[in-house]
Amino acid sequence: AQTVTQSQPEMSVQEAETVTLSCTYDTSENNYYLFWYKQPPSRQMILVIRQEAYKQQNATENRFSVNFQKAAKSFSLKISDSQLGDTAMYFCALRDYGQNFVFGPGTRLSVLP
Amino acid sequence: DAGVIQSPRHEVTEMGQEVTLRCKPISGHDYLFWYRQTMMRGLELLIYFNNNVPIDDSGMPEDRFSAKMPNASFSTLKIQPSEPRDSAVYFCASGGSVGETQYFGPGTRLLVL
Repeated sequence: AQTVTQSQPEMSVQEAETVTLSCTYDTSENNYYLFWYKQPPSRQMILVIRQEAYKQQNATENRFSVNFQKAAKSFSLKISDSQLGDTAMYFCALRDYGQNFVFGPGTRLSVLP
Repeated sequence: DAGVIQSPRHEVTEMGQEVTLRCKPISGHDYLFWYRQTMMRGLELLIYFNNNVPIDDSGMPEDRFSAKMPNASFSTLKIQPSEPRDSAVYFCASGGSVGETQYFGPGTRLLVL
């Protein structure tokens, strides 16, 4: 069975600084997809970034980038130039070809002014 | 596209009453997922459909919960009878084929008194 672990329940960062959120996972599949979702206080789940496991190149979306280490089964999210609007819960998720979609427990990020 | 639409956005009911949550997925998406989110248990996958057919309902907590998808544009999650421990935010999400992102609806906040 797939599992997703986020070992940091809470983190904080000063505005304009960089922060990295950790995620590790376990799957027996060779092909799968990894995602980071953001859930602000509005509770809307918003896709931040997506990574295909067969791609070695790390995905990047503006200030958001990932460090994908397939052998280590690690998928961390780096937020550069943190903004107050980045304050949210961040969920790491894994989707395999069997369509199983597993979410981690989340990391609560606070961006401080 | 308007995105995933859920109704109602908020529901307050009394224990023992029937509750029906509704979801309209994004047009063209083959997969539909129902999640429950609570502080204690995080985000839990309840059930998902592929082409209107339930594929995995192992996350449905008990027989009081049922879900249907009569057509590609509509799904319901029903709780009968409801209990206070069912209080949570229920999300519907839809997605395309393998590897594609799930897009979440705004959620239904359910409070059972």
